[in-house]
Formats: sequence, structure tokens, C-alpha cells
Amino acid sequence: DAKTTQPPSMDCAEGRAANLPCNHSTISGNEYVYWYRQIHSQGPQYIIHGLKNNETNEMASLIITEDRKSSTLILPHATLRDTAVYYCIGFREDDKIIFGKGTRLHILP
Amino acid sequence: DAGVTQSPTHLIKTRGQQVTLRCSPKSGHDTVSWYQQALGQGPQFIFQYYEEEERQRGNFPDRFSGHQFPNYSSELNVNALLLGDSALYLCASSLAQGWRNYGYTFGSGTRLTVV
Repeated sequence: DAKTTQPPSMDCAEGRAANLPCNHSTISGNEYVYWYRQIHSQGPQYIIHGLKNNETNEMASLIITEDRKSSTLILPHATLRDTAVYYCIGFREDDKIIFGKGTRLHILP
Repeated sequence: DAGVTQSPTHLIKTRGQQVTLRCSPKSGHDTVSWYQQALGQGPQFIFQYYEEEERQRGNFPDRFSGHQFPNYSSELNVNALLLGDSALYLCASSLAQGWRNYGYTFGSGTRLTVV
């Protein structure tokens, strides 16, 4: 079973920051938090990952709480092309990715 | 640098038939995982291959089998197709050592329709 919980859907206005929450209170200390997104009928696309510290790359920022029980993916300036299903996943190196239901993000023009 | 390549992109089969789907991993990757994604659902893990052996398996019947070749490419075989096998089949590749830094790279999938 997936070890993360996400809201089923969210809306965000184009140009605004999209903040996608994820609860992962049951992941273990050696499991990373990964975020993927899936645009309709395409394969999932890697966005960002982290263990304890906040991370930023060209696509997004990842804020992980100090107790590692939750995190937030931030898309700083959402565009229509960011409309997708976003998956928050917790897993470790010798394990497999288990997808939950994800959050369907709608970017509103 | 080529990513993960899957073939064919679309396929229509009849109930009871057998199907083989193919996957070429991203250059430098040595591990291949297969997923089944039904319409409106998240991808479900089928199995993972490393060093030409099945390393992990999800909750799928024996009708689903696979193979990994010495060049790390992989095949997914499904026997005795059922209507419920209609789905998008995704292949993902990764690097067994140090993959945490790169995660999984997914292909665009094969859309299988069973009629």
C-alpha cells in the first residue's frame, strides 16, 4: 500500500504558486520523499526528491517538515502545462515505487 | 541521450491471446520495472528485473511474466488475455547502485486494448 496521503484534487490560478501537500507520517528514516507528475496518457515524470532538507531545482521546491511527517511541493509560477496528476512517494533504495492516487492539479487560466 | 523506449505504442488483442511488450532502458540504467495503469488509476507495480532476474513482484497472477536481456532491455509477457488487462503498461528504468540520486525514468507506455 502507498505510504502517503494526498488531497484528490486542487485548483491553482495560472501564474500563482501551486502548493501541493503530502502526508507521509509512516515512512521510515531511510526512505526518501519523491515527487512525480503524470500528464494525461504520458509516463510519470520525475520532479524532485529529498530526505530531510528542503530541496530546489529548476522545476520545483520541496519543503519537508522537521519531523518528516509531511512535505509540500511548490511550483513557483504555475502554467497551464503544469496541469497533471502529482504523486508523492516514499521509498528506499532497495525497494520499489508504490503509487497512491495522487493529486489532480488544475491550473485555471 | 535517449530515455526509456517502449514498443509498440498501441496494441489491440483478442481475449485469450498472448502479448509481448518491449522496453529499452535509459542509457546507463540496469534495472527495469513494469507497471500497469488502468484508466483513472495510479500505476500498479507488476515486477522488477535486475541482473536478468526478477527481483521483486507485485500482486499480479502468473499470467504476467517477464524477461531481462544482457543489454538490460526487458519484455513483459501476458498470457490468456482478459478484458481487464486493458491498460497502459509503463516501463521504468533505474540504476541499482546510487539510483536515489536519479529516481526512476519512465517510458511513455504501451496502450493495450483487449477486445
